[in-house]
Amino acid sequence: GAGVSQSPRYKVAKRGQDVALRCDPISGHVSLFWYQQALGQGPEFLTYFQNEAQLDKSGLPSDRFFAERPEGSVSTLKIQRTQQEDSAVYLCASSKGQSFIEPQHFGDGTRLSIL
Amino acid sequence: AQTVTQSQPEMSVQEAETVTLSCTYDTSENNYYLFWYKQPPSRQMILVIRQEAYKQQNATENRFSVNFQKAAKSFSLKISDSQLGDTAMYFCAFSRYNQGGKLIFGQGTELSVKP
Repeated sequence: GAGVSQSPRYKVAKRGQDVALRCDPISGHVSLFWYQQALGQGPEFLTYFQNEAQLDKSGLPSDRFFAERPEGSVSTLKIQRTQQEDSAVYLCASSKGQSFIEPQHFGDGTRLSIL
Repeated sequence: AQTVTQSQPEMSVQEAETVTLSCTYDTSENNYYLFWYKQPPSRQMILVIRQEAYKQQNATENRFSVNFQKAAKSFSLKISDSQLGDTAMYFCAFSRYNQGGKLIFGQGTELSVKP
């Protein structure tokens, strides 16, 4: 596609529910990143994939957060038993190659609100 | 651990004038990349400019330029001939070599360009 696509754009869930956020990277992009952006803050790194391999998940805040990219393309970020502090915008980014110098292209994000 | 600090939460500038946004960072690494990203209300992060730490020459992209002071760990962004479309949140970000491109962001500076 022309850009990184994220869905849904907005998600409202009750505390305790599970949610799944989807990211479609730019076609052919090898690297994929997830970031969490709290209101009024800068994005914080969650996890990173190179193709289907999850190479870094050091930013996932708890074991309730799980990300996958089974075929090296679309990625899903799942949050189990959501809590109010999970409310944030979740940004996905992809880059062309394996080199860290490749620029990251960001999607519009999913705004998650936990009631 | 690396940290990125933006000490100006908000700034404003008159259209056609010049403004400088500040950023400092802390790292023990010698090789790394620095970035400035723009995030308009639409939420999509857009890369404005990037600087390789090993290059002494400051990066320039049209109206955007940086003042990179490696010893002082300072990386400021200068916007010349400010335009209304420059109104956005601006984030400074850091990326280490050999971390696959993981970005560490500052807290952001909200820039308003006034007519």
